Amino acid sequence: DAKTTQPTSMDCAEGRAANLPCNHSTISGNEYVYWYRQIHSQGPQYIIHGLKNNETNEMASLIITEDRKSSTLILPHATLRDTAVYYCIVRVEKGSNYKLTFGKGTLLTVNP
Amino acid sequence: DGGITQSPKYLFRKEGQNVTLSCEQNLNHDAMYWYRQDPGQGLRLIYYSQIVNDFQKGDIAEGYSVSREKKESFPLTVTSAQKNPTAFYLCASSIRRSSYNSPLHFGNGTRLTVT
Repeated sequence: DAKTTQPTSMDCAEGRAANLPCNHSTISGNEYVYWYRQIHSQGPQYIIHGLKNNETNEMASLIITEDRKSSTLILPHATLRDTAVYYCIVRVEKGSNYKLTFGKGTLLTVNP
Repeated sequence: DGGITQSPKYLFRKEGQNVTLSCEQNLNHDAMYWYRQDPGQGLRLIYYSQIVNDFQKGDIAEGYSVSREKKESFPLTVTSAQKNPTAFYLCASSIRRSSYNSPLHFGNGTRLTVT
């Protein structure tokens, strides 16, 4: 299975950019990278996903390296409400089915 | 508003009893999933279903059962065979089957406590 590796925790000052790294060195050529976040005791929230090119939406930007072995999620101006566990995941294909496997994620703490 | 509804939010059961967790979606999504989350851990996949009347075991299916009789419903039964059933259970769905470009939408979870 394609796995991802993320730091256990990170801190960021309010108003600054938060850059969350993820390694996915075994990703296959047609697998997307997805990012989700989870605020305590709630369901995870989808943030962004990408295949090869950098992506941006109203929540964040996703930078994927040219060899696709790693990516970075960027929250341009972090707020206290961005404190959450951030998950980087890739799809895993199993025959005609697929599944999404979550790791432990990165706990981002945004400090005032 | 469209979304995924999990009920109840909190559930308490005695050891040895089976319990069924509800998950309903009105997003017209094909695929549905059940994950389990333990304190300080990531999400682990229990079962998933790509289409009505079909489902696949995930990474930790032992002690659990599911059904997918309707597109919008994917109930999870935690049986007495599950050794450590106390956990936070999350249901999710996605729009397309066998697609690489369909994000998961999650419910807000059911916290099950078995004593």
